[in-house]
Amino acid sequence: EDQVTQSPEALRLQEGESSSLNCSYTVSGLRGLFWYRQDPGKGPEFLFTLYSAGEEKEKERLKATLTKKESFLHITAPKPEDSATYLCAVQGSTSGTYKYIFGTGTRLKVLA
Amino acid sequence: KAGVTQTPRYLIKTRGQQVTLSCSPISGHRSVSWYQQTPGQGLQFLFEYFSETQRNKGNFPGRFSGRQFSNSRSEMNVSTLELGDSALYLCASSDQVGHYGYTFGSGTRLTVV
Repeated sequence: EDQVTQSPEALRLQEGESSSLNCSYTVSGLRGLFWYRQDPGKGPEFLFTLYSAGEEKEKERLKATLTKKESFLHITAPKPEDSATYLCAVQGSTSGTYKYIFGTGTRLKVLA
Repeated sequence: KAGVTQTPRYLIKTRGQQVTLSCSPISGHRSVSWYQQTPGQGLQFLFEYFSETQRNKGNFPGRFSGRQFSNSRSEMNVSTLELGDSALYLCASSDQVGHYGYTFGSGTRLTVV
């Protein structure tokens, strides 16, 4: 069964305390894995797309990596403004039909 | 440039009624997708339209339908509302079919009472 599992569900960090968020996935015909950030009352904001195992992308304090079974979002020296829910999603393809599956997210709180 | 615009932002409806939500994509984007977001289920894909044609559909009952106009604006309709339809409905646009870094709107918060 196609699914995306994110862990932990919630994470509290002190400012400057680096950590990683995990996204484990099972999907047929992976076409891409996506990371989004969502602030309360807003829609998700696109961060990264990863297409193949071994790929890495970086943006400011965030770095996303991909293996054949999971992806990590590494947050280096986080700041309070990094507090948000981080969502992982995968797109799969079977016989020309696409599937879009989101995880339920990791709620990150960074304390000053 | 202007982002994805969803109207209305908030809506309260009674069980059994129907509702229509609107989405205006980023100028030049021809793909519009709809998602339902609830605390328990997270984001679930409803359907995707590209050039006025439904290209993909999620696992939702037929009460959920949509359409796209020639100017790429899209509407989503839910008939015979149920309490479980209470959710944040998000629209996303892209310049191509498929999931390539969608830009999301801020959503419509639907409450069914």
